[in-house]
Parts: sequence; C-alpha cells; structure tokens
Amino acid sequence: SQQGEEDPQALSIQEGENATMNCSYKTSINNLQWYRQNSGRGLVHLILIRSNEREKHSGRLRVTLDTSKKSSSLLITASRAADTASYFCAGGDSWGKLQFGAGTQVVVTP
Amino acid sequence: NAGVTQTPKFQVLKTGQSMTLQCAQDMNHEYMSWYRQDPGMGLRLIHYSVGAGITDQGEVPNGYNVSRSTTEDFPLRLLSAAPSQTSVYFCASSYSSEAYNSPLHFGNGTRLTVT
Repeated sequence: SQQGEEDPQALSIQEGENATMNCSYKTSINNLQWYRQNSGRGLVHLILIRSNEREKHSGRLRVTLDTSKKSSSLLITASRAADTASYFCAGGDSWGKLQFGAGTQVVVTP
Repeated sequence: NAGVTQTPKFQVLKTGQSMTLQCAQDMNHEYMSWYRQDPGMGLRLIHYSVGAGITDQGEVPNGYNVSRSTTEDFPLRLLSAAPSQTSVYFCASSYSSEAYNSPLHFGNGTRLTVT
C-alpha cells in the first residue's frame, strides 16, 4: 500500500514558471518528506516537514502541510530545465517507516 | 565519501537463479533499507535494518533475504528469481534508526531483469 499519492502524475511547464504538485496521504504521520529522482538515478532528499509545521522553505522550494486534510504541496518557483525530474512524497507511518507515493513527473522546457 | 554504493548496476537472471545485490555505505549510518521501484507504483520497502545484527521485513519481503553483519554492508539476496522480481532496486540509509525522522540517502540502483 502507498502512503502518499501525488497529483498530477505528470506536469509540463516552461522555464521560469512555477511548478506545483500535491500529495495526499492516508494515515497519521510524524513528518512528510519530498524527494527528487533524475532519470536513471537514485532519489535525492529535498525537504522534510514535521507534523507540527505548516510551511517550510528551502531555496526555490516551498512545502506546505495540512494535517487536517492529510495533504502536502511542493512548489518549485522559477523553474529551470535542471528541475526536470520525478518528485516523490513520503510519509512516516505508524510503524516508523517511510512509504512513498507513485511520483509526479515534471518536465521543464527551455 | 562515496555515500551509498550499489553493485551491480545491471543484471539479467534466468528464472530460478539466485544472486546477491550489494549495498555499502561509508557514512556510519545506523539505518539501511532496500526498496524496489516499479512503474506507477512508487517505491516499496522490502527489508530494513536499524543496526548491525538487526533486520526486519518491509512491505514486500517474500523471495528476498537480508543480513547485516557490519554497519557498512546490507546485501539483498534473491533466493530463486522470478519474473515478478524484475524491477529497479534501491538501497538507502539514514543516520537515525527511525527512517521517517531523518533523510534517506539513496544509491543509484540496480536494474534487474528476470527472464
């Protein structure tokens, strides 16, 4: 079973635009993490937001968390071609392990 | 500092063959884990370890064995390969024994095909 489900499944934007993707999860979490995966590579950690936090920033990334709606969003501002990747959310379940969603594939065209 | 190293990068097996996927980390991380990634399904946890000598099952453990004799190494063994095990396998580690509480560091994956 998957803890997180990302929406949309795919997103195509132009350089300079903002990219927003959403994640919904099923059970209570301690924190929620976002990862990026470039084609043919492993996942790279982007940001972790704890369940008592509502918003967090890291560079061009902004993450929000709404525990009442069991949802999170990742915003990438002023996107670049190098942001082309798949993005995954992962929530810590009640057993203390991370469960990943199926990901959002983002394509940024110059 | 190499991070998490997985070998091999690619492997083709025939049904019924066995093999070991290697994973090593040089960050002195307590927690290590194996995931498989299939199209449209995200990553699913196979086995994990919170320290040397301790292993436990994840979401999809059947057909796989692990051991953790040292902090650095966490090999994944396929006992009798099946076509359903065709996937990309990722090893990941984190400094905390609570994986959900600290970032995971991933290797670059092993792409396994079982014919």
